[in-house]
Amino acid sequence: DTGVSQNPRHKITKRGQNVTFRCDPISEHNRLYWYRQTLGQGPEFLTYFQNEAQLEKSRLLSDRFSAERPKGSFSTLEIQRTEQGDSAMYLCASSFWTGTAAEAFFGQGTRLTVV
Amino acid sequence: SQKIEQNSEALNIQEGKTATLTCNYTNYSPAYLQWYRQDPGRGPVFLLLIRENEKEKRKERLKVTFDTTLKQSLFHITASQPADSATYLCALDEWGGSQGNLIFGKGTKLSVKP
Repeated sequence: DTGVSQNPRHKITKRGQNVTFRCDPISEHNRLYWYRQTLGQGPEFLTYFQNEAQLEKSRLLSDRFSAERPKGSFSTLEIQRTEQGDSAMYLCASSFWTGTAAEAFFGQGTRLTVV
Repeated sequence: SQKIEQNSEALNIQEGKTATLTCNYTNYSPAYLQWYRQDPGRGPVFLLLIRENEKEKRKERLKVTFDTTLKQSLFHITASQPADSATYLCALDEWGGSQGNLIFGKGTKLSVKP
């Protein structure tokens, strides 16, 4: 296993278009997280899954954002009707959660630019 | 309101000195706190985790302290090297350790000059 994999690494899209990102976590990890990061800021939590169940979504997350994790394996994050403010690095992380603290393993991220 | 604050956006030190980074939090009751390193254009990499009942944790040249009374964690890099230059992020569990949802500070950019 080579770690958390995210595709694509870069995406440029026109305002109003839909985009979808994919994350392949470390295979034995049951938790998967999505974060968004803009320049000079720390990662901002978006949502997370335990296996295939989406347990929490950020209150700040627009309805244009949706995430899935079918069969508890890979996950997709879709942004509909993109806006320039959506330009950011989208990070995926996974962890093996057993009910206590667990380190998160991050992917390299997908950098989205909305023009 | 809930806040995680890292003491400064940037810290410049000379090679060989000890770098000390601060993470303060407000209106959280974390059961543990984590520190990550992030290089430009890359995802964060886990460094250390310290639990609320641990005062100090060490790993090679790294040391973390956690004071739940002061609501503060200190992150030290001893004998710093130019290769330590990066942004360092602190993170804690929003729900006190029961959920695993990590909330991050903005980070401190460390520059170690030769």
